[in-house]
Amino acid sequence: QSALTQPASVSGSPRQSIAISCTGTSSDVGAYDYVSWYQQHPDKAPKLLIYDVNKRPSGVSNRFSGSKSGNTASLTISGLQAEDEADYYCSSYTSSNTYVFGTGTKVAVL
Amino acid sequence: EVQLVESGGGLVQPGGSLRLSCAASGFTFSRYWMSWVRQTPGKGLEWVANIKQDGSEKYYVDSVKGRFTISRDNAKNSLYLQMNSLRAEDTAVFYCARDLYWLDPWGQGTLVTVSS
Repeated sequence: QSALTQPASVSGSPRQSIAISCTGTSSDVGAYDYVSWYQQHPDKAPKLLIYDVNKRPSGVSNRFSGSKSGNTASLTISGLQAEDEADYYCSSYTSSNTYVFGTGTKVAVL
Repeated sequence: EVQLVESGGGLVQPGGSLRLSCAASGFTFSRYWMSWVRQTPGKGLEWVANIKQDGSEKYYVDSVKGRFTISRDNAKNSLYLQMNSLRAEDTAVFYCARDLYWLDPWGQGTLVTVSS
């Protein structure tokens, strides 16, 4: 049950696009299309951004998109805005009927 | 409005016990799996446990197996986490969340501090 690997930090200028990778194994990310992404602002609870690899819940901006290839999933934020500055976590269902989270990525808007 | 509210956190000595509660409202609680997730102060998220709609299946992260027990009372729309043999490394904010292969929504969290 090792954590999924994410870059510690990613930064970009306003209106740019950035991507956050999330690397797992054939027992989690590679095994199921149950990858989800969460946004967490300081001292707040995590908020669901993406589920089932690339689906957006109602109310989430279409600037957020998800994808997956093999054992690696990605979250892309387009048209970066100041309010996107937060921590981002990926998560995957696993073959052990459990969940594993990513190590987390801090996004900075320059 | 779908809402989850955790309670029961606090300061406990190493080796002690604590029971967390999560009150659900705004949805049919008995129709959903539910999960507990924790976050060590200043660090990342760790999924802890989940439970099937009728309580017949439960799964845990290895680090809490044998020490934590997840349960639910569908009549009271409530989820619980009984935590025994607590260790310093269990210090964290604990969140409950509705579990649909993704977690949504999350409660506001309750802080558990294990220290002498």
